[in-house]
Amino acid sequence: DQQVKQNSPSLSVQEGRISILNCDYTNSMFDYFLWYKKYPAEGPTFLISISSIKDKNEDGRFTVFLNKSAKHLSLHIVPSQPGDSAVYFCAASEYRGSTLGRLYFGRGTQLTVWP
Amino acid sequence: DAGVTQSPTHLIKTRGQQVTLRCSPKSGHDTVSWYQQALGQGPQFIFQYYEEEERQRGNFPDRFSGHQFPNYSSELNVNALLLGDSALYLCASSLAVGQGTEAFFGQGTRLTVV
Repeated sequence: DQQVKQNSPSLSVQEGRISILNCDYTNSMFDYFLWYKKYPAEGPTFLISISSIKDKNEDGRFTVFLNKSAKHLSLHIVPSQPGDSAVYFCAASEYRGSTLGRLYFGRGTQLTVWP
Repeated sequence: DAGVTQSPTHLIKTRGQQVTLRCSPKSGHDTVSWYQQALGQGPQFIFQYYEEEERQRGNFPDRFSGHQFPNYSSELNVNALLLGDSALYLCASSLAVGQGTEAFFGQGTRLTVV
């Protein structure tokens, strides 16, 4: 049962424009969300995270929005650059005490940024 | 500061054999998790180790076992390999204190079972 879903397998955006990657989850116990970027032949690279007590977190060109009532989060990349072309994974977790628990991943969205 | 390192990077094994994969966590991290990523899928959680004990386990058979050493490094062992075990195996490390911790991944071990 896929508890984290990324329904768009691919997204193509022109350089300089905004990229919006979406993610939905089903488990209301999730309280921490992360986005990872992955290039071929490399492990996932952490991008940005958000706690369920917030609805927005920003880091440079990357902003994550969380809508708990809709169980939906999105990653905005502005402006998009060709180097952003990669597979983006959404992940969710339950904190167990103070420890980050297992991560549940979506299937990923392939972002292509063209010049 | 070295990040998460995994060895080997690639491995080819025959069906029925056993394999051991290794992971050194990011400096200062004390928690190690293992994930399996099949082609076209997101990583699937295998188990997590903290203080040399298995803390959480995903839906993987007992053929998958692990160990964490006092220096926080970890091993993943898979017995009686099946063709379906062919995948990218990822190790992630994190710190078991405080809010806002992230899990950092190694580059993975590509296992091919023939």
